[in-house]
Amino acid sequence: SSELTQDPDVSVAVGQTVRITCQGDSLRIYYAIWYQQKSGQAPILVMSGKNIRPSGIPDRFSASSSGSTASLTITGAQADDEADYYCSSRDSSGYHFVFGTGTQVTVL
Amino acid sequence: QVQLQQWGARLLKPSETLSLTCAVYNGSFNGYYWSWIRQPPGKGLDWIGEIFQSGDTTYNPSLKSRVTISIDTSKNQFSLTLTSVTAADTAVYYCARRGPYDSSGFISWGQGALVTVSS
Repeated sequence: SSELTQDPDVSVAVGQTVRITCQGDSLRIYYAIWYQQKSGQAPILVMSGKNIRPSGIPDRFSASSSGSTASLTITGAQADDEADYYCSSRDSSGYHFVFGTGTQVTVL
Repeated sequence: QVQLQQWGARLLKPSETLSLTCAVYNGSFNGYYWSWIRQPPGKGLDWIGEIFQSGDTTYNPSLKSRVTISIDTSKNQFSLTLTSVTAADTAVYYCARRGPYDSSGFISWGQGALVTVSS
């Protein structure tokens, strides 16, 4: 079972703001990193552990972290943002990686 | 831009060995960690393990007894072997490049390969 927990699904109207959360004890120590996966495609990195967006990722994506909870926020969601989003970090041992349970974002 | 291209057998019978290879194009092989990640149909992502250019490996404890990741730096390729497969190993398998720092993440991904285990 994953050590990182996410809400299974959220919905947002076009142009509105949605926050996706990721909870896990290891996030108190290690970075949370965020991935977007559209249907039938490989995941892509949308936010690195220092809240840096890779080239090509729109600035409507931002991230934050506090204690055992990390968040990815989409400000002004677009239809193209409809996807599954996964957080990732190291596990409690620090030696391995784990992914969150995933959040399906629906843009209405 | 770095591209990862993967290949290997897609249909296996229970107890057989899964073998996949990933080739890295248009980028340096050195200084990065090379990972395998899988995703059962309709489910989330599961980290399998990774290898550094030196050959040092780290595996998911739940798979460690059955997994081997190897590297061929002369060919810019790395491979995954998973022994004694069962239906539970049916998944899309991705190869990925992880940056050198904890904050880097899995920067580049292969296209994925659906491996089905069925008798």
